[in-house]
Amino acid sequence: AQKITQTQPGMFVQEKEAVTLDCTYDTSDQSYGLFWYKQPSSGEMIFLIYQGSYDEQNATEGRYSLNFQKARKSANLVISASQLGDSAMYFCAMREGPYNTDKLIFGTGTRLQVFP
Amino acid sequence: KAGVTQTPRYLIKTRGQQVTLSCSPISGHRSVSWYQQTPGQGLQFLFEYFSETQRNKGNFPGRFSGRQFSNSRSEMNVSTLELGDSALYLCASSSIIRELFFGEGSRLTVL
Repeated sequence: AQKITQTQPGMFVQEKEAVTLDCTYDTSDQSYGLFWYKQPSSGEMIFLIYQGSYDEQNATEGRYSLNFQKARKSANLVISASQLGDSAMYFCAMREGPYNTDKLIFGTGTRLQVFP
Repeated sequence: KAGVTQTPRYLIKTRGQQVTLSCSPISGHRSVSWYQQTPGQGLQFLFEYFSETQRNKGNFPGRFSGRQFSNSRSEMNVSTLELGDSALYLCASSSIIRELFFGEGSRLTVL
């Protein structure tokens, strides 16, 4: 069965430092997509970054980058230069199989707290 | 460009009642999907619609239903509400098979 694992329930990072949030996945499909979302206390799920299984380069979006290691089935999120506003829950998710579906499987999330 | 809009944002119902939640996708997006988020079960896929057709369905009882209109707006309905249906219901839309954008959610409390 397809699965997303986030082993860090909580992480602390000092402002302006970089932080890595871990995500491993399990799938037998060759074609899949990996997502990271940020969820502040308001509840909205904010899209951060996407990596397709056939993308050769690691995805980057501003201060966010995805460290994609296909053989290890990991898709860690790296946030550079953390800001106080980065404090939130972070979810890793996977879209399976053919691209004609928006069914995502989510991990349990990591709560990131940025301190001054 | 407006994002995904969900209404209502908050609502309180009592057991046995039914509820309808609405989702307006990003303009041009034809795919809409729904998710339930609870502290115990996390984020779970409910169903998705594309061009007014249900394309995929999660493992939820028949009390949960949805539909999509010709303008891509979607509604989901929960009948005979139970206490366990208290959750944040999130709607998402997509168009180019990569990014999936979510709304702010509808927070349902069942008393």
